[in-house]
Amino acid sequence: KNEVEQSPQNLTAQEGEFITINCSYSVGISALHWLQQHPGGGIVSLFMLSSGKKKHGRLIATINIQEKHSSLHITASHPRDSAVYICAVRDPNTGNQFYFGTGTSLTVIP
Amino acid sequence: NAGVMQNPRHLVRRRGQEARLRCSPMKGHSHVYWYRQLPEEGLKFMVYLQKENIIDESGMPKERFSAEFPKEGPSILRIQQVVRGDSAAYFCASSSTVNTEAFFGQGTRLTVV
Repeated sequence: KNEVEQSPQNLTAQEGEFITINCSYSVGISALHWLQQHPGGGIVSLFMLSSGKKKHGRLIATINIQEKHSSLHITASHPRDSAVYICAVRDPNTGNQFYFGTGTSLTVIP
Repeated sequence: NAGVMQNPRHLVRRRGQEARLRCSPMKGHSHVYWYRQLPEEGLKFMVYLQKENIIDESGMPKERFSAEFPKEGPSILRIQQVVRGDSAAYFCASSSTVNTEAFFGQGTRLTVV
């Protein structure tokens, strides 16, 4: 069983739609990260969360520590949001290394 | 303040050659993590280093792979006698402490022919 599970694996949306990507984890964590990876590109850190909610532009990330669950929301989605979104957690019991979800591939159609 | 710099961005090696991948962490960061992303797979942890020390190498293959982070200069991931299965994207990340945000490099895409 993976330490981090994401859903859905693939997501296609029309431009302007509200998008939610979910992440559940099974280990104790010091922080949870949402990352963005464009095809053939590097990885960009979108958020680091240890509690509550963060907002940056059209992106919102929430975390529920008790339920070991986080969500990434994209409001008013745009084709440039098309990318793979990866949930990653840092486990303090293993030197704070990251465990990664397999990613959610998002395609936003104009 | 430049981000995490990895070079080269793309590296082609013939089977049996050595590959050296470099990672310069962000200024002030002394913690470096290496990750591998195999084609069509997720990211997997390889090794965690602090200056001059390997803290956790539980994700490194036992043979042919080594990593270092010297007192001066970038962290190096070295793969000896590369095989086709080593073809992947290799990412590094750095942070200032174990509990602060980590920043990722652009990755090095290794192709073994």
